[in-house]
Amino acid sequence: GDSVTQTEGPVTVSESESLIINCTYSATSIAYPNLFWYVRYPGEGLQLLLKVITAGQKGSSRGFEATYNKETTSFHLQKASVQESDSAVYYCALSNMGYKLTFGTGTSLLVDP
Amino acid sequence: ETAVFQTPNYHVTQVGNEVSFNCKQTLGHDTMYWYKQDSKKLLKIMFSYNNKQLIVNETVPRRFSPQSSDKAHLNLRIKSVEPEDSAVYLCASSFWGANQDTQYFGPGTRLLVL
Repeated sequence: GDSVTQTEGPVTVSESESLIINCTYSATSIAYPNLFWYVRYPGEGLQLLLKVITAGQKGSSRGFEATYNKETTSFHLQKASVQESDSAVYYCALSNMGYKLTFGTGTSLLVDP
Repeated sequence: ETAVFQTPNYHVTQVGNEVSFNCKQTLGHDTMYWYKQDSKKLLKIMFSYNNKQLIVNETVPRRFSPQSSDKAHLNLRIKSVEPEDSAVYLCASSFWGANQDTQYFGPGTRLLVL
């Protein structure tokens, strides 16, 4: 079946430092799945951070970026300079055309002020 | 702005009881989902419904049964709950199709089985 593997947390980063959360996927139900990063901020529900549906394309939102790499089957999340408000749990996920999302285990990020 | 609503927020019950959770979406989507988030925060699909038709049933125990009255509602009933059912249950919705499948999530229902 489909699977997603991401950086195991918790990850602690100082404010203004750079961040990378690794994500690799294996999709057996579909050749080129849609890829997502979801985020859950403290006290809030799960929400979409960014989405990319075309291999080779980059998605960006709130200063975060992720590039869909079909050669390495990766979708790493990066930010050049994190802020304390970025502290949250980040989930990488893939979709097989709407049937379901397959999530990674989530990465808890804590940004030290 | 919430557009996927779940009730209740929290429910405590005893082993063997029956519980029901409700989910409603106001986004006009045609596909709805139930996910389970366990104590290790792992999110796994349970059911997917498209236009009131079940399209995904992921090896969920038979005591779980989804119920869809229309495209905007998808409820979840658990007959005779067991301790391992303690979890957060997340409802989500989306449009059907490869380029429209961004899912929007509700706040979740936390179930504690004593």
